Amino acid sequence: TQLLEQSPQFLSIQEGENLTVYCNSSSVFSSLQWYRQEPGEGPVLLVTVVTGGEVKKLKRLTFQFGDARKDSSLHITAAQPGDTGLYLCAGWGYSGGGADGLTFGKGTHLIIQP
Amino acid sequence: DTGVSQDPRHKITKRGQNVTFRCDPISEHNRLYWYRQTLGQGPEFLTYFQNEAQLEKSRLLSDRFSAERPKGSFSTLEIQRTEQGDSAMYLCASSRTENTEAFFGQGTRLTVV
Repeated sequence: TQLLEQSPQFLSIQEGENLTVYCNSSSVFSSLQWYRQEPGEGPVLLVTVVTGGEVKKLKRLTFQFGDARKDSSLHITAAQPGDTGLYLCAGWGYSGGGADGLTFGKGTHLIIQP
Repeated sequence: DTGVSQDPRHKITKRGQNVTFRCDPISEHNRLYWYRQTLGQGPEFLTYFQNEAQLEKSRLLSDRFSAERPKGSFSTLEIQRTEQGDSAMYLCASSRTENTEAFFGQGTRLTVV
């Protein structure tokens, strides 16, 4: 059972469109981090959300942490080809025990077509 | 400091050989993590260190795998008697303390033939 479920798994849209990807769990996390990864490279940290209900913006990217700190979303406005990549959410502090490290979802593979 | 550094970037080895990877974390970071990532999946936790102490190991870390962080700075991950199923990207990350932002290296891509 995946602790963090990301949806959709794959998304291919045209340049200029908006999109939202989701990261859901039945577990409470003390914080969630979003990463973007390109093929053959390590994940690059985009943002950390800590407070329930928190919203953070990074240019055209808007990140939200759920009130109960069990889920998060990433919204991209006017997507660009440079946004193409694997978007990963990861949580600290899985309250159900387990590895004391970041727990990752499987990611959303995003392709923005010119 | 330029971030987390991993060496080598790529390694091709024959089945049954031993391989060793190195990770240099961000200098003031006390925590160092090793992850494995296979194609189409998110990274899976292997083990982590708080300074030189290895505090947790995943069940994914079989007895063929060993990790060290002898002086609380760089770390090595060794795989003995490699198998084809060990082919993956091995990622290292570091963070200042627990529950703070973790930064990843570029990874070591291992191919076992």
